Amino acid sequence: NAGVMQNPRHLVRRRGQEARLRCSPMKGHSHVYWYRQLPEEGLKFMVYLQKENIIDESGMPKERFSAEFPKEGPSILRIQQVVRGDSAAYFCASSPSRPSTDTQYFGPGTRLTVL
Amino acid sequence: LAKTTQPISMDSYEGQEVNITCSHNNIATNDYITWYQQFPSQGPRFIIQGYKTKVTNEVASLFIPADRKSSTLSLPRVSLSDTAVYYCLVGDTGRRALTFGSGTRLQVQP
Repeated sequence: NAGVMQNPRHLVRRRGQEARLRCSPMKGHSHVYWYRQLPEEGLKFMVYLQKENIIDESGMPKERFSAEFPKEGPSILRIQQVVRGDSAAYFCASSPSRPSTDTQYFGPGTRLTVL
Repeated sequence: LAKTTQPISMDSYEGQEVNITCSHNNIATNDYITWYQQFPSQGPRFIIQGYKTKVTNEVASLFIPADRKSSTLSLPRVSLSDTAVYYCLVGDTGRRALTFGSGTRLQVQP
């Protein structure tokens, strides 16, 4: 059973460009979460999605950031008009449809560098 | 949301037992205690989870006293590959957004 897949692993963008980060959850998982991690810091929650629905986006900036998890295909975290402060590691996690406890399984992350 | 406090860093030697304590004075009745491990340039990896008393798996043990205001992650006979950051999380199973603190940076030396 493959783990959570994220691509690309590394992404370089210039200021003002768009960044698209993809996440494929583990097989059988319908809950997806996105987190951001700055160097030497813990992960910060951004958004929680189920298929075709955003459940909690309280940690995601209101502007320039959006997320989706379509019926078919991976979850996408989209950052428009990137700025240098968006440089970070972005992790996706997934959990089963009916988890007994709050265990999330993390992908390897996408490291975004904004020049 | 219960806030956690854990040491910033710890040092150990190969073969020793390492105990990392986490304080969570405001833990709520529905909260579970979960520990994750993160290696550089990787995503966090689930280690262990518990609600009360003691939980043991093939990787670690988790000790939780009766008042549940703290917990201790115990790693038996650590090796160099256990060098990582360890995060203690406390949360309601119904709440989906995990809150990571700064974690404990464990350095294992030969």
